Amino acid sequence: AQSVAQPEDQVNVAEGNPLTVKCTYSVSGNPYLFWYVQYPNRGLQFLLKYITGDNLVKGSYGFEAEFNKSQTSFHLKKPSALVSDSALYFCAVRDRSGGGADGLTFGKGTHLIIQP
Amino acid sequence: EAGVAQSPRYKIIEKRQSVAFWCNPISGHATLYWYQQILGQGPKLLIQFQNNGVVDDSQLPKDRFSAERLKGVDSTLKIQPAKLEDSAVYLCASSPDPTRPQHFGDGTRLSIL
Repeated sequence: AQSVAQPEDQVNVAEGNPLTVKCTYSVSGNPYLFWYVQYPNRGLQFLLKYITGDNLVKGSYGFEAEFNKSQTSFHLKKPSALVSDSALYFCAVRDRSGGGADGLTFGKGTHLIIQP
Repeated sequence: EAGVAQSPRYKIIEKRQSVAFWCNPISGHATLYWYQQILGQGPKLLIQFQNNGVVDDSQLPKDRFSAERLKGVDSTLKIQPAKLEDSAVYLCASSPDPTRPQHFGDGTRLSIL
C-alpha cells in the first residue's frame, strides 16, 4: 500500500521569504510524485510532478520540488513567497507499477499562510 | 481547453435519500477518476475508469455507491442510501494517460442532514 505524510498542518511564512512544505511518501516500487494546490471551494490545480530524471523539478508559479530517494521525500519550495501563494497544498504519489490502476494517494494537506 | 465540468456544485439531502453527481471530463481524456474529499483530509480515490471500463474500484463502498461511464465520456456517481459520513466534496478528475497530471473539476459539496 502507498501513503503520503505531510507532517505540518500549517506553515506560516513572511512575504518575500523562502518557503518549504514538507512531504514524505511510501510506495512499494518507484514513485510518480505530484504537488497540487487547492483554493477555497475549488478543485485541485496541478503544480508540478516528478516522473523520472532530474531530482529538482520546476513547476508553475515559481514553485519547485526536490525528489530525494534515500529520504523518500518530495518537499515543495519557493525562493520568495507571495501573499497570493496562501492556499492548501497537497502532495500525492502513485506507484509506477500500478498495473493500470493509477489513482493518486494524497496527503492530508498543508495550509500555507503568507503574511504581508 | 475547457476544464472538467461537474454538477451540481452543492447538494443537501437527508440521510437514507439517494443522490447523483455528474462529470464531463476534458475532451479526449480516456481516464476518469472519482475522489471523495472529507473535510480536513486529502482526496481519496473511489473509482477509476479507462474509457468505459472500470480499472480500480477497490475503495468504493459498493453496498451504497455506484458509478458508470457510458460511452466512455460522461460519468455519474450515485449514492443510495446516503449516510451521515458521506458528507464530503466529490471530485472528478481526468487525464489523457497515466504519466500526465490529472485535471480536477471544482467538485460537488454534499451535505447529509
